[in-house]
Amino acid sequence: DIQMTQSPSTLSASVGDRVTITCRAGRAVSGWLAWYQQKPGKAPNLLIYKASILQSGVPSRFSGGGSGTDFTLTITNLQPDDFATYYCQQCHTYPWTFGQGTRVEI
Amino acid sequence: QVQLQESGPGLVKPSETMSLTCTVSGGSVSDNSYYWSWIRQTPRKGLEWIGYIYYSVSTNYNPSLKSRVTISVDTSKNQFSLKLTSVTTADSAVYYCAREAEGSGYYKFDHWGQGTLVTVSS
Repeated sequence: DIQMTQSPSTLSASVGDRVTITCRAGRAVSGWLAWYQQKPGKAPNLLIYKASILQSGVPSRFSGGGSGTDFTLTITNLQPDDFATYYCQQCHTYPWTFGQGTRVEI
Repeated sequence: QVQLQESGPGLVKPSETMSLTCTVSGGSVSDNSYYWSWIRQTPRKGLEWIGYIYYSVSTNYNPSLKSRVTISVDTSKNQFSLKLTSVTTADSAVYYCAREAEGSGYYKFDHWGQGTLVTVSS
């Protein structure tokens, strides 16, 4: 299985900040990567797919980048609604695998 | 707007078989554009992909669960289901059903159910 490692595990930030979350794949996954946001008691919600394509309806303050083994999710001008846990997921090789999550907190 | 809703027992005894159903509205499980999937989440292991059914008959399972998992579809009810045999406490989790879309250079879980908590306990 391809191991996905996110850093940091927890990130403390303030409204208006620019934050970056990193996801590293155990082996190259090209651009086959997605990012999800999850709030407590809710299902994950797709933010970005194909490493950098914004899902319809997702605010443009979210952006993704990277290829191969190293990927980033950046949130500019952090909003109160953005305090949540974020997961990366590789869809290059079955079984699909997820990162352990990064919690963005105040 | 596609919606998915999980249903099934919240409590299952060890060694028994767990069965969950996902009811799809606003879309069709017969739509061969999508993979109808199950994912589970635990505090210890995080999010874990279980598998999918595609074209109503083609399945793909996580090797870690493959010997115990069956995913099937009932097109007449617009539902797909998960069966997991010989459950242990390690199978206690929130189970999500999800729709996975495929495109040029990507897959994405673009719609999810709200999740259902299954506890394995005697």
